[in-house]
Amino acid sequence: KQEVTQIPAALSVPEGENLVLNCSFTDSAIYNLQWFRQDPGKGLTSLLLIQSSQREQTSGRLNASLDKSSGRSTLYIAASQPGDSATYLCAVEGQGGSEKLVFGKGTKLTVNP
Amino acid sequence: GAGVSQTPSNKVTEKGKYVELRCDPISGHTALYWYRQSLGQGPEFLIYFQGTGAADDSGLPNDRFFAVRPEGSVSTLKIQRTERGDSAVYLCASSSRSGGAGNEQFFGPGTRLTVL
Repeated sequence: KQEVTQIPAALSVPEGENLVLNCSFTDSAIYNLQWFRQDPGKGLTSLLLIQSSQREQTSGRLNASLDKSSGRSTLYIAASQPGDSATYLCAVEGQGGSEKLVFGKGTKLTVNP
Repeated sequence: GAGVSQTPSNKVTEKGKYVELRCDPISGHTALYWYRQSLGQGPEFLIYFQGTGAADDSGLPNDRFFAVRPEGSVSTLKIQRTERGDSAVYLCASSSRSGGAGNEQFFGPGTRLTVL
């Protein structure tokens, strides 16, 4: 059974700092990995999707990496801003037609002005 | 274009009542998913539709939960004899399932269900 773990559970940083969020998964047989952002009381916003054959994806100040063999992904946020404050969720889709996403519990990020 | 929409945004009901939650996926997306999110947790998979059929309903917790997608677009999640433990945010997502990056799932704003 796939399990996804995100560390740390919460992170507080001053504005302008670069930061890394971590995600690990127990079964390396994944089809893809998605990072999401969730604001309080809201749904999920897709940030980046990394296919299993890829090593990283970039979007603006965000960079996500994937090391499938070791079961790890990181989300790097450059020059953090108060507007980045949210919960960041990592999710994996398994191979073999399982289609469903298995989520971690998320990392709650607070960027202080 | 319009994203995934869900109605109602909030639903308060009494224990034992029946509720229906609606999801409108992104136009043209053949795949539709339901997830449930409890406070402080990540979303948990409930059911996946490919077109009109439920391709995977392994996440439905018991037979009080049922979902339909009769025309391959809008889906309704139905919960009978609601219990206080059913209180959660119910999230819907859709995907084009066109392979690779086309498997990206897009989520709606969710329906917050409270069972008193």
